[in-house]
Amino acid sequence: GDSVTQMEGPVTLSEEACLTINCTYTATGYPSLFWYVQYPGEGLQLLLKATKADDKGSNKGFEATYRKETTSFHLEKGSVQVSDSAVYFCALSDRGRYGGATNKLIFGTGTLLAVQP
Amino acid sequence: NAGVMQNPRHLVRRRGQEARLRCSPMKGHSHVYWYRQLPEEGLKFMVYLQKENIIDESGMPKERFSAEFPKEGPSILRIQQVVRGDSAAYFCASSPPGQGRPTEAFFGQGTRLTVV
Repeated sequence: GDSVTQMEGPVTLSEEACLTINCTYTATGYPSLFWYVQYPGEGLQLLLKATKADDKGSNKGFEATYRKETTSFHLEKGSVQVSDSAVYFCALSDRGRYGGATNKLIFGTGTLLAVQP
Repeated sequence: NAGVMQNPRHLVRRRGQEARLRCSPMKGHSHVYWYRQLPEEGLKFMVYLQKENIIDESGMPKERFSAEFPKEGPSILRIQQVVRGDSAAYFCASSPPGQGRPTEAFFGQGTRLTVV
């Protein structure tokens, strides 16, 4: 079945360092890909998404490009801030029973990012 | 427009009791998803409901767990005879009807269930 694999954390960086969190996926068909962020004690918030190959999602300085040839969707930021400290989840949308698009998501295990001042 | 509302935020139950978790989707959203996050793990899909219908319950344990989304009122995830292994954060997400491509699912803040 479909699955998402992301790099294990924790990832500890100094403020203004570059960030890359790797994410690869296995899927039949053409899923949409997402990055969600979970701040301490809160629910998940959508950070960015890409719905087709070569799309680039971006938000708050974060970017990720949907690479079909490498089945990857790596999250990048050029200069992290302390406020970026959170758990980041890569996810893909699953196909419904009859192959239609749904919002059922398959998540990776999450990567904890800790940014130190 | 209020977001997805889950209550309670924290729930403590003794082994063998029942746990009822509530989720009110965003206004205009007719699709609800429940996910479970076990300690140190990612979110796992449990069940997908539309009003009065269970669409996909492939992630739901076969026993003790049930979910509903009635015509009126919130969606309820019910766990009977809870065991310690049920301790987790349970997240609800809602979305509007899609147009052939996935739309964004909005998540609630979760209910943290502790079984003692």
